[in-house]
Amino acid sequence: AQSVTQLGSHVSVSEGALVLLRCNYSSSVPPYLFWYVQYPNQGLQLLLKYTSAATLVKGINGFEAEFKKSETSFHLTKPSAHMSDAAEYFCAVTPTGANNLFFGTGTRLTVIP
Amino acid sequence: SAVISQKPSRDICQRGTSLTIQCQVDSQVTMMFWYRQQPGQSLTLIATANQGSEATYESGFVIDKFPISRPNLTFSTLTVSNMSPEDSSIYLCSAGLRAGELFFGEGSRLTVL
Repeated sequence: AQSVTQLGSHVSVSEGALVLLRCNYSSSVPPYLFWYVQYPNQGLQLLLKYTSAATLVKGINGFEAEFKKSETSFHLTKPSAHMSDAAEYFCAVTPTGANNLFFGTGTRLTVIP
Repeated sequence: SAVISQKPSRDICQRGTSLTIQCQVDSQVTMMFWYRQQPGQSLTLIATANQGSEATYESGFVIDKFPISRPNLTFSTLTVSNMSPEDSSIYLCSAGLRAGELFFGEGSRLTVL
């Protein structure tokens, strides 16, 4: 079975500060891992994905995530938060070769001016 | 990438009625999925819409309640049948072009009174 756990349903950071959103996964087979972002009243947008190539993955808008098998983690980071980063972020997992995604419960990021 | 259009974008319905949500993709895709996002919660996979055959439902979802059609590679419908207030949710269509990389529509926000 596959699942992801996102630690912290709400995270607040100051503008310009480091963003760290945590995601741990559970998978019985090698996983593909994803981060999606959902802005208010919009659909989900793919930020980045890990598909068994490089363990450090760079995505859009300056975000990146590192796959750590030993820690079963795929945390999302950004060196400097912008006001426009305020949104809901979802971590997701799928078994290698599958297409359906299983999502975490989401983390709402607030950026304080 | 794929652009996914859903309609209606929102609706208010009476208990006991049914509503059909349409999903149109601007290009042919291999897989289409329907997700539900209940207020303040994450996304839950309802079913995989299979072109030319019956949809594949996840645990807890049944065809009688959520009949799905997929007549071709660019279009699918989800019907929410015999609605109750517990069905109030956002229903999201997504399309997969490759393993685990999904594009999402903006969702259909359903309120059942």
